[in-house]
Amino acid sequence: DAGVIQSPRHEVTEMGQEVTLRCKPISGHNSLFWYRQTMMRGLELLIYFNNNVPIDDSGMPEDRFSAKMPNASFSTLKIQPSEPRDSAVYFCASGGSGGSPLHFGNGTRLTVT
Amino acid sequence: QQQVKQSPQSLIVQKGGISIINCAYENTAFDYFPWYQQFPGKGPALLIAIRPDVSEKKEGRFTISFNKSAKQFSLHIMDSQPGDSATYFCAASIGGTYKYIFGTGTRLKVLA
Repeated sequence: DAGVIQSPRHEVTEMGQEVTLRCKPISGHNSLFWYRQTMMRGLELLIYFNNNVPIDDSGMPEDRFSAKMPNASFSTLKIQPSEPRDSAVYFCASGGSGGSPLHFGNGTRLTVT
Repeated sequence: QQQVKQSPQSLIVQKGGISIINCAYENTAFDYFPWYQQFPGKGPALLIAIRPDVSEKKEGRFTISFNKSAKQFSLHIMDSQPGDSATYFCAASIGGTYKYIFGTGTRLKVLA
């Protein structure tokens, strides 16, 4: 089991550029989550998918943020255009059914200058 | 009402000591309370979890104490070790869903 795989690990970009973060969940997990972690706000749930369908995107901060899950093994979080206040660590997590634990990836550290 | 309040923000403990981290919640519909451990550069990982039908759960040196009437739960790390130095997050969810509400985290440092 390779765990949840996120790429890239680090991303540095200039304000106004498009940023795409990628996630491969654990095989067999049917729930996928995108979180954002900052010192000020802690861990915030941005969006979660169940069986590739977005269930709750109420945490997505603005229309600049969008997420897709085209199939069970891949998801993207896109920020367009990016702003300095988007700088944070973005985590993807996946979970199976029956109350099994939530598994996090190692995150993508995004810096927007 | 959806918040989970965690304290302290940071904690320094001597090796061999007991580390205690507290969390409080308001929403009585919460019925699953996990604790996550996060090392620098890594994602949070599940450490231990409890449901409100029990008052205590122990796994090795880690114990969760749960007080349903006070709407509080705490993590106790016995015989704390330098390798326990990490950030700890409590969380709560409803109905076994994965929509966790996380606490703000406690940065623990265990001195050798």
